[in-house]
Amino acid sequence: SSELTQDPAVSVALGQTVTITCQGDSLRSYYATWYKQKPGQAPILVIFRRNDRPSGIPDRFSGSSSGNTATLSIAGAQAEDEADYYCHSRNSSDNSVVFGGGTKLTVL
Amino acid sequence: QLQLQESGPGLVKPSETLSLNCRVSGGSINRANYYWAWIRQPPGKGLEWIGNIHYTGDTYFNPSLKSRVTISGDTSKNQFSLRLTSVTAADTAVYYCARLDFWSSETKEANWFAPWGQGTLVTVSS
Repeated sequence: SSELTQDPAVSVALGQTVTITCQGDSLRSYYATWYKQKPGQAPILVIFRRNDRPSGIPDRFSGSSSGNTATLSIAGAQAEDEADYYCHSRNSSDNSVVFGGGTKLTVL
Repeated sequence: QLQLQESGPGLVKPSETLSLNCRVSGGSINRANYYWAWIRQPPGKGLEWIGNIHYTGDTYFNPSLKSRVTISGDTSKNQFSLRLTSVTAADTAVYYCARLDFWSSETKEANWFAPWGQGTLVTVSS
């Protein structure tokens, strides 16, 4: 399957840890990449290549993977972390790119 | 600092062709390490990959759009372009361009889009 599945919505209390998951067969061969998107803005890269963060992304963001599941963790969630989060990978059978459906994170 | 900027008409009539450009500044598209991509997002919906181009002309397309999509590059202008034919209301979306980077190890591979352009809304309507 070339699909990536994400929970539509997740909530977290301010300062607590939250995990957002992404499932798909392609994740057995490809690391998931994670993007954050706020309303009206372009997505920005938050996690890539195992568990790398671009400059400017706080170290409370981390990534992990096991089998066909990738996880984005936010330790000590802040109000500014409220956003949509998308995972992305690649379908090895045809070199196509696939995005997860996105997870809306609410910080309470 | 690499920056990408989309440009093109914001309104396209049904059955016509959508054409967008992505101007790249702060770096050259003539780099073997990268592909250059188009991604779109219908209002209120998720991200959909359209396709990638390498400066050599190598291209990959979303199978669901392949029959209608052309992506081309202009190294002299350091930009790349998207053409989507026979558009319908379902093609109404914010269209983003982005750089695609890639990496591989012995056991796994990775690729990522960064940076992204700010996006441009294209509405298909008569």
